[in-house]
Amino acid sequence: GAVVSQHPSWVICKSGTSVKIECRSLDFQATTMFWYRQFPKQSLMLMATSNEGSKATYEQGVEKDKFLINHASLTLSTLTVTSAHPEDSSFYICSASQSSTNEKLFFGSGTQLSVL
Amino acid sequence: KQEVTQIPAALSVPEGENLVLNCSFTDSAIYNLQWFRQDPGKGLTSLLLIQSSQREQTSGRLNASLDKSSGRSTLYIAASQPGDSATYLCAVADSSYKLIFGSGTRLLVRP
Repeated sequence: GAVVSQHPSWVICKSGTSVKIECRSLDFQATTMFWYRQFPKQSLMLMATSNEGSKATYEQGVEKDKFLINHASLTLSTLTVTSAHPEDSSFYICSASQSSTNEKLFFGSGTQLSVL
Repeated sequence: KQEVTQIPAALSVPEGENLVLNCSFTDSAIYNLQWFRQDPGKGLTSLLLIQSSQREQTSGRLNASLDKSSGRSTLYIAASQPGDSATYLCAVADSSYKLIFGSGTRLLVRP
């Protein structure tokens, strides 16, 4: 089956630093990738939709200058948490779609971000 | 605004029991509904996908039903095993194909 690789799995950083998370589709081309955030014991909340070669579409309440998304190729999307603060500590998950209707949706293994 | 609710939030059963997880959604205008499994600190694995025109889908010991008019779906797990222990997430796709997730049911199957 299709594989989505997400790195790093864990990251601990100091407040004020920036953290980049990568999401790669290893064996298929993903025209659309999605970034989610998940707080403990809560559901996944969609942050933004990323389309290759165009600007990401952010969900209401998500700061685009805070969470920079780049989708430069059909197999790679990156999420950069800029000037991270403790409240940004969360589990971030990406997913990649093989179809325009998201019926073929594959998830990365997630990144646990802890900001001290 | 679509809201997805899952009941119960947590469930503990002895091995071998059949169990039902519930999912409800407020807007019946969905494109499809999916059930996912999430292991601790991991990503999601798709279990079953039901199109809006379908009533149910089956895969092995799993059976998912969909009643779109009442805004409900159930995931039935037969003969549960300790390896089934995980969080089960229900998600509906809206007209723009975005997935809206419930908060999940944390399942523990005791040996």
